[in-house]
Amino acid sequence: QKEVEQNSGPLSVPEGAIASLNCTYSDRGSQSFFWYRQYSGKSPELIMFIYSNGDKEDGRFTAQLNKASQYVSLLIRDSQPSDSATYLCAVNVAPGGTSYGKLTFGQGTILTVHP
Amino acid sequence: GAGVSQSPSNKVTEKGKDVELRCDPISGHTALYWYRQSLGQGLEFLIYFQGNSAPDKSGLPSDRFSAERTGGSVSTLTIQRTQQEDSAVYLCASSVGVGETQYFGPGTRLLVL
Repeated sequence: QKEVEQNSGPLSVPEGAIASLNCTYSDRGSQSFFWYRQYSGKSPELIMFIYSNGDKEDGRFTAQLNKASQYVSLLIRDSQPSDSATYLCAVNVAPGGTSYGKLTFGQGTILTVHP
Repeated sequence: GAGVSQSPSNKVTEKGKDVELRCDPISGHTALYWYRQSLGQGLEFLIYFQGNSAPDKSGLPSDRFSAERTGGSVSTLTIQRTQQEDSAVYLCASSVGVGETQYFGPGTRLLVL
């Protein structure tokens, strides 16, 4: 089982729709969770981070975390063609964990928003 | 302020040559990370620094890879006797402290012929 798994996609949604990106993780010691966006040929760009169970909203983006289910998701409302990119889920474990410090990334989900 | 910078942006080298990749973190960030992204592969952790120390270098693929950080700032990743499988984008990130949000540089695209 991979440490961080994402629905591989590609995911295609029409402009204006909600895009839902999902991520599961295996280490129950995971503490902080990040969503990065990566355009083709570019480096990852932070969208959001979340530490606590529940929802966190920032503009059109909502991150949802459920530690009991080891699940984190990203919702993009009113999707735009400019949202078309690869979305990376990343996880960091708590201090004291053997892999503390480094981010463990999923393989990414390719999102295409078509006009 | 300025983000993470990396140089060179692109590097083409011949198999067997040594290469040095440089990372300049965001000013004031004490933690610095190196990752590698190969075509079709996810982001793979290599090593991170807290100040000038490297608490976790578990991701370095072989002893041909080494990294150092001096003055709590600039870091250099060195690959000796490069192999074709070393071809990848090498990404550097920095954060205020270990475990905090990481911000990535533009990467160095390495091609080993």
